[in-house]
Amino acid sequence: NAGVTQTPKFRVLKTGQSMTLLCAQDMNHEYMYWYRQDPGMGLRLIHYSVGEGTTAKGEVPDGYNVSRLKKQNFLLGLESAAPSQTSVYFCASTGGLADFTDTQYFGPGTRLTVL
Amino acid sequence: KQEVTQIPAALSVPEGENLVLNCSFTDSAIYNLQWFRQDPGKGLTSLLLIQSSQREQTSGRLNASLDKSSGRSTLYIAASQPGDSATYLCAVSGTASKLTFGTGTRLQVTL
Repeated sequence: NAGVTQTPKFRVLKTGQSMTLLCAQDMNHEYMYWYRQDPGMGLRLIHYSVGEGTTAKGEVPDGYNVSRLKKQNFLLGLESAAPSQTSVYFCASTGGLADFTDTQYFGPGTRLTVL
Repeated sequence: KQEVTQIPAALSVPEGENLVLNCSFTDSAIYNLQWFRQDPGKGLTSLLLIQSSQREQTSGRLNASLDKSSGRSTLYIAASQPGDSATYLCAVSGTASKLTFGTGTRLQVTL
């Protein structure tokens, strides 16, 4: 039981390049989330999904796209990276209110630098 | 818009002390409140979750309380140890279990 895994762990991009961050969970959770963490700002929600094939915008969605084609995977895409997207990205999952505890489980993070 | 504030931003205590971390939120319409621990360069680990109908939760040396009507929660750590040094994050859950986080309290426990 690996929990929530993220790929890659580190990445350096040049402005304008694109990339995809992969999140995978093996807990059969319905809900998945992408957050970014910046110094002094705390964690902020980018996009989320409440089930396979669904996605929705969070607090800071601009410049990002997501897809949830399989229940266990949640992909975060940057089409044209900007220095303002330099951050640590965390994926999380939960069973939601159907899961009595509703605890969110986090991945180890992806540290992205955009030059 | 929900806003979560954590006080203090940083705290340094000698080993063995009992300590309290504070969290406040502006909108009392929450499903639950969660406390997380984050070690440097690592992900978040859930410590305690308090449902909106509950007043407190305990796990080992940790006790978290919730006063939903006043928008406050406290995390009490008894007999602190150097291994407790980390950043502690408070988050409240809204619709679709989305979390709104505070900016954290960075705790250092010294020998």
